[in-house]
Amino acid sequence: EVQLVESGGGLVQPAGSLRLSCAASGFTVSSNYMSWVRQAPGKGLEWVSIIYSGGSTYYADSLKGRFTISRDNSKNTLYLQMNSLRAEDTAVYYCASGVGNSWVWGQGTLVTVSS
Amino acid sequence: DIQMTQSPSTLSASVGDRVTITCRASQSISTWLAWYQQKPGKAPKLLIYKASSLESGVPSRFSGSGSGTEFTLTISSLQPDDFATYYCQQYNSYYITFGGGTKVEIK
Repeated sequence: EVQLVESGGGLVQPAGSLRLSCAASGFTVSSNYMSWVRQAPGKGLEWVSIIYSGGSTYYADSLKGRFTISRDNSKNTLYLQMNSLRAEDTAVYYCASGVGNSWVWGQGTLVTVSS
Repeated sequence: DIQMTQSPSTLSASVGDRVTITCRASQSISTWLAWYQQKPGKAPKLLIYKASSLESGVPSRFSGSGSGTEFTLTISSLQPDDFATYYCQQYNSYYITFGGGTKVEIK
């Protein structure tokens, strides 16, 4: 079964850092494009970042270099390193992958930025 | 960046109604479009990919059409389980974008 499971969310103070993980099963992370999408409370879906099978990475302009996407092929896991966190980064973070022509999503992990 | 304009933002309908949601892209995205259903507190659920391909396990009352810049999601006969928020997503470019969402409410 194709599945994505996120972890690493929680409460963090403004200006702090957090690393999210997304463990994949049923397919190979390195062979597909992997993405992070977030949803602030009561808001719509916002694309955050993507990493392609060849290793190319792209980010939403609004992040201004604070986030870094990466993957560990040996662990079949995707990561999102988030630095200099702000209140407006509070959201549920989902990982999603284009598998074939379709999309697979995880259940999400909540990140709350607050003092 | 490709902008996705989704309409309407809210839709009131009754069980059994035929419902249509539209998504317009600011430039051609071929058929690189997906539709999702989301319920409160849950992850988005894929309904349609490649504009018109029905995801496995999704009821056949859901259908998608369109190409280029104009796309529609149709629910042929609205069921109680279909009251939710729907999003379109373009993945033609690396800068993925979503429509603003359509909330389908009970009339």
